[in-house]
Amino acid sequence: EAGVAQSPRYKIIEKRQSVAFWCNPISGHATLYWYQQILGQGPKLLIQFQNNGVVDDSQLPKDRFSAERLKGVDSTLKIQPAKLEDSAVYLCASSLELGPTPGYGYTFGSGTRLTVV
Amino acid sequence: KQEVTQIPAALSVPEGENLVLNCSFTDSAIYNLQWFRQDPGKGLTSLLLIQSSQREQTSGRLNASLDKSSGRSTLYIAASQPGDSATYLCAVYSDSNYQLIWGAGTKLIIKP
Repeated sequence: EAGVAQSPRYKIIEKRQSVAFWCNPISGHATLYWYQQILGQGPKLLIQFQNNGVVDDSQLPKDRFSAERLKGVDSTLKIQPAKLEDSAVYLCASSLELGPTPGYGYTFGSGTRLTVV
Repeated sequence: KQEVTQIPAALSVPEGENLVLNCSFTDSAIYNLQWFRQDPGKGLTSLLLIQSSQREQTSGRLNASLDKSSGRSTLYIAASQPGDSATYLCAVYSDSNYQLIWGAGTKLIIKP
């Protein structure tokens, strides 16, 4: 089966500019996650969708970050305006369903490496 | 608030050695614990999942143990190979907020 697709792979922008990331999950996966991974740290969950509804966005900096999952399939994550501290890898993951044993059902994309200068 | 710590942050060993990576967590109210592997420029790959009621899981040369009461897990890698070089992360699925809480990882280098 095809994996989780993310684009672009790399992005360099100046602070205060805007940027958008795209994620296409595995077909049939109802749950989609966006993580931020700063160098040397573990991933931090930004937002979690179940189909096209938001399950948890408590750690999403809503003054500058937004995300949507139209039609419950693809998702975009936007940052506007970007700050230097937003430099990180943004990982998208999907799983069949929401629940405590996503385990092997978790599939991660390769991520987008964002550098804000 | 659940916190996950991994020690050491980096480890370099000669090929063929057996090694242990450590993971500790502060709140024992977990549903499960997972070990992941992360290669540069690639996503995360799940290696082993241990349910809270289990003590260990094995897959090939990998063995993960869980001591929920003491808040510790170890990942044992037998007969290490250069291809094992990667960053290994542990994550706990918390009962309280149904999210994966991640450690910062251990960067492992296996020298040929």
